Amino acid sequence: EPEVTQTPSHQVTQMGQEVILRCVPISNHLYFYWYRQILGQKVEFLVSFYNNEISEKSEIFDDQFSVERPDGSNFTLKIRSTKLEDSAMYFCASSEGQGFYNEQFFGPGTRLTVL
Amino acid sequence: AQKVTQAQTEISVVEKEDVTLDCVYETRDTTYYLFWYKQPPSGELVFLIRRNSFDEQNEISGRYSWNFQKSTSSFNFTITASQVVDSAVYFCALSEARGNTGNQFYFGTGTSLTVIP
Repeated sequence: EPEVTQTPSHQVTQMGQEVILRCVPISNHLYFYWYRQILGQKVEFLVSFYNNEISEKSEIFDDQFSVERPDGSNFTLKIRSTKLEDSAMYFCASSEGQGFYNEQFFGPGTRLTVL
Repeated sequence: AQKVTQAQTEISVVEKEDVTLDCVYETRDTTYYLFWYKQPPSGELVFLIRRNSFDEQNEISGRYSWNFQKSTSSFNFTITASQVVDSAVYFCALSEARGNTGNQFYFGTGTSLTVIP
């Protein structure tokens, strides 16, 4: 069964460093998303991406964040200068088609720890 | 205001008991979808069910059942004869229409279920 994959599973970085979280969405999916879950809290939407551009982003997704689809398979989230409060689990998701009714398939997550 | 409210933060039940997880949502849209996801201790999000706003028929899948009531904006989830493997955090989520540009999920704060053997 096709699945969303994410690498690495755990990333430890120093405050101020740049990190890139990688995701490989399901191959025939057209819509891609990043979510964040601070430990013990709810899952929060960061950004959605379609047709090589951001379609929606939340207040959390400030100038420190960027997303990219560098090739036909990867979808990345870059945090330019990490802060302690960026420590969280980051989930990538993808959905097959347009519209809100599509189930989003989530990856296993990348746990980011900022020291 | 929260779009999805899961008032139960933590629930503990003894194995084989039934348990209901509550979810109340808020939206002005007439067309929307509701979802339940399970997050086991390993951390991944596992899809359980999707329900659209026009389908209020209750659904049963094995030991799982869902009660969608538009009149009370609730989408409750019941596990019958709970098992230890059901121990996880359960998230309810709402998806509203965003035209052709995909959608944003609004998650509740989750209910942590512990099933005691």
